[in-house]
Amino acid sequence: AQRVTQPEKLLSVFKGAPVELKCNYSYSGSPELFWYVQYSRQRLQLLLRHISRESIKGFTADLNKGETSFHLKKPFAQEEDSAMYYCALHNAGGTSYGKLTFGQGTILTVHP
Amino acid sequence: DGGITQSPKYLFRKEGQNVTLSCEQNLNHDAMYWYRQDPGQGLRLIYYSQIVNDFQKGDIAEGYSVSREKKESFPLTVTSAQKNPTAFYLCASSKRQGASGELFFGEGSRLTVL
Repeated sequence: AQRVTQPEKLLSVFKGAPVELKCNYSYSGSPELFWYVQYSRQRLQLLLRHISRESIKGFTADLNKGETSFHLKKPFAQEEDSAMYYCALHNAGGTSYGKLTFGQGTILTVHP
Repeated sequence: DGGITQSPKYLFRKEGQNVTLSCEQNLNHDAMYWYRQDPGQGLRLIYYSQIVNDFQKGDIAEGYSVSREKKESFPLTVTSAQKNPTAFYLCASSKRQGASGELFFGEGSRLTVL
């Protein structure tokens, strides 16, 4: 069974400090990993996906298959980064396209 | 304004009553999903549908029912059999091919059982 674990429910940092939101997964197949973000009073939306190897709003995430991790990182946090972040796993080899397994979520608060 | 529309935003229900949450999309997406969001538990999949007139149970389907008679619509009924229905419900949709894993979400419906 596939599982996504985000060990930190809450994470607080000061503006300008580096931030890392942890995500670990368990899955025997070929996973696709994503980070979704929910800002206050906004819809849940895709932040980035591992296959794109992109940086969005200064955030990056590298898939580490050896450690089964997909941590989200930003070198200098901004107050507008405060939000709920979800790590999600998609079964890339299956037929249930779009069916994601989400982690428990991490609330990031960036203090001024 | 394209996207996913959920209604109502807030709903109160007495115990023993069924309630239906609406989800409509005009993105021409084939697949639609219902998730339940609870504090500390993340999003859990209730039901999903990859095509009209077909749907599958997710991880927590007990006490819920759905229909998919039109591509644009995927209503969720929370029945009296659902033991803990008070929650925030999110509807989402995705394309059938390509961009797999990218879901587009509605604003959610908060159900409170009195």
